[in-house]
Amino acid sequence: EVQLVESGGGLVQPGGSLRLSCAASGFTFSTYWMSWVRQAPGKGLEWVANIKQDGSEKYFVDSVKGRFTISRDNAKNSLYLQMNSLRAEDTAVYYCARLPKYRYDAFDIWGQGTMVTVSA
Amino acid sequence: DIQMTQSPSTLSASVGDRVTITCRASQSISSWLAWYQQKPGKAPQLLIYKASSLESGVPSRFSGSGFGTEFTLTISSLQPDDFATYYCQQYNSYPTFGQGTKLEIK
Repeated sequence: EVQLVESGGGLVQPGGSLRLSCAASGFTFSTYWMSWVRQAPGKGLEWVANIKQDGSEKYFVDSVKGRFTISRDNAKNSLYLQMNSLRAEDTAVYYCARLPKYRYDAFDIWGQGTMVTVSA
Repeated sequence: DIQMTQSPSTLSASVGDRVTITCRASQSISSWLAWYQQKPGKAPQLLIYKASSLESGVPSRFSGSGFGTEFTLTISSLQPDDFATYYCQQYNSYPTFGQGTKLEIK
């Protein structure tokens, strides 16, 4: 079964850091672009970051540039999101998602999400 | 940024109805548009990609159309499982989503 499972969410103070992980299974992880997408409570979806199959290209939404880093370990079939200098507006459910072919694509597989709450 | 605007924001309908949701892009995106269904507490699920291609496993009552700046998602005969929130997403450039359409039971 094709599956993505996120972990690492939690409560963090403003200015703090958190590292999210996403474990992939059921497909050849190393051959796909991967993404993080977030959803603030009661709000819509926002793309956060993309990473190429070999990690050589990374793209971010403007609001997280310089604060968030995306990375992957193809040997461990894992995707990561390092979040620094967190703000209240970063509070959201964070989903990892697969891109079937291209850097810009529909998201065909999603994880169940992990909640990040930034609050004092 | 390419802005995506969905209408309506809320739609009330009954089982068996035919419903249409519209998504407009602030500039042409060719056919680079996807539709998702999301239920409360769950991840979005891809329904349609490239404006009109049905994702594998998605019921044929779902269909998409459009090109350029105007797109529609149609559900031909609503089933109880279809009451959810629907989002469009463009991927002509870095991805952006519509604000969502909540489909409610009338």
